Amino acid sequence: QKEVEQDPGPLSVPEGAIVSLNCTYSNSAFQYFMWYRQYSRKGPELLMYTYSSGNKEDGRFTAQVDKSSKYISLFIRDSQPSDSATYLCAMSGFGNEKLTFGTGTRLTIIP
Amino acid sequence: DAGVTQSPTHLIKTRGQHVTLRCSPISGHKSVSWYQQVLGQGPQFIFQYYEKEERGRGNFPDRFSARQFPNYSSELNVNALLLGDSALYLCASSKSGTVYEQYFGPGTRLTVT
Repeated sequence: QKEVEQDPGPLSVPEGAIVSLNCTYSNSAFQYFMWYRQYSRKGPELLMYTYSSGNKEDGRFTAQVDKSSKYISLFIRDSQPSDSATYLCAMSGFGNEKLTFGTGTRLTIIP
Repeated sequence: DAGVTQSPTHLIKTRGQHVTLRCSPISGHKSVSWYQQVLGQGPQFIFQYYEKEERGRGNFPDRFSARQFPNYSSELNVNALLLGDSALYLCASSKSGTVYEQYFGPGTRLTVT
């Protein structure tokens, strides 16, 4: 069993819709939770990170962490075609030197 | 400010050969990490260096090695290349090794034939 599970999709939604992306994990030591966006043949771009449980909002993006359920989410409001990319969740323990990634969800926003 | 830069952009090698990949971190960042991303998968951690010292190593064979230079740039070396080493190799930098603010470069795409 992988430490981080992420539905690979693909996920297609119409422009303007709210997108929900999710990851589950098994390692209770994870404390930091990140979301990256990766365009085809490019490096991952950090969108936001959250420490421990709770919500964090940045523009059209909202990250949620539920440590009791070992479940994290990223919501994208008013989705745009430029949001079409692969979204990777990543996690790390406190004082840990590495990120553990999910497989990524491929998202397409249809104009 | 310039982001993380990596060279070369892509290269093709033959099984058994050796390869060196290079990374320059964001100015002011003292930590560099290397990841391998196979097509369709998330990145896998290989190494982290901070202030020229190895701070962490992932589950990769000894054919993989790295180092960090006084200017904080880094090299990843892979010996005796295998077909399975074909992947996108990503370098990430952070100010002090904190994983929650790691910024990735564009990667080097390695194809082993």
